Amino acid sequence: AQTVTQSQPEMSVQEAETVTLSCTYDTSESDYYLFWYKQPPSRQMILVIRQEAYKQQNATENRFSVNFQKAAKSFSLKISDSQLGDAAMYFCAYRSAFEQETSGSRLTFGEGTQLTVNP
Amino acid sequence: GAGVSQSPSNKVTEKGKDVELRCDPISGHTALYWYRQSLGQGLEFLIYFQGNSAPDKSGLPSDRFSAERTGGSVSTLTIQRTQQEDSAVYLCASSLRPSGIEYEQYFGPGTRLTVT
Repeated sequence: AQTVTQSQPEMSVQEAETVTLSCTYDTSESDYYLFWYKQPPSRQMILVIRQEAYKQQNATENRFSVNFQKAAKSFSLKISDSQLGDAAMYFCAYRSAFEQETSGSRLTFGEGTQLTVNP
Repeated sequence: GAGVSQSPSNKVTEKGKDVELRCDPISGHTALYWYRQSLGQGLEFLIYFQGNSAPDKSGLPSDRFSAERTGGSVSTLTIQRTQQEDSAVYLCASSLRPSGIEYEQYFGPGTRLTVT
């Protein structure tokens, strides 16, 4: 079974600064996808960025980028030029590249990191 | 188009009562997932539907939980004889197809269930 671990329950950053959220995972699969989701107080889960394991290049979406270290099973999220609207709970998630008959493409989530952005 | 909707948004119920949570996926999405988010924890997978079929119900926390999906669309999660430990946010997600990186899971806003 796959597991995802986020070791930072809370993080804070000053507006306009850079912050990095950590995530490690464990799997015996060779092909999989990794995601970062943002959950504001509205509870709506929003996909921030995704990474395909077979791609060595780190994914980037505007101010968000990841550092994917496959051998170390590490997948951190860097937020540059932090904005007040970035304040939210952030979840790291794993998904197998292979559809499972009984669970489809279920996501396995970490415990989350609550990010506070200080003005 | 419309996203995934869930109702009710919030539900407060007394211990021992039954509750029904509803999920309306995006039209045409064949895959549907239910997750549970307990306070201070990540999301826990409950059940997956491909069309109207749920191949495996073992992810449901107890036999008080049941789920169904009709017409390949709306899904209902029912909790019988609710207990305080059932208090959580229940999230539903749908995707066009079950597999493939391009088939993103879209989440609803969830139902916050409080059992008193």
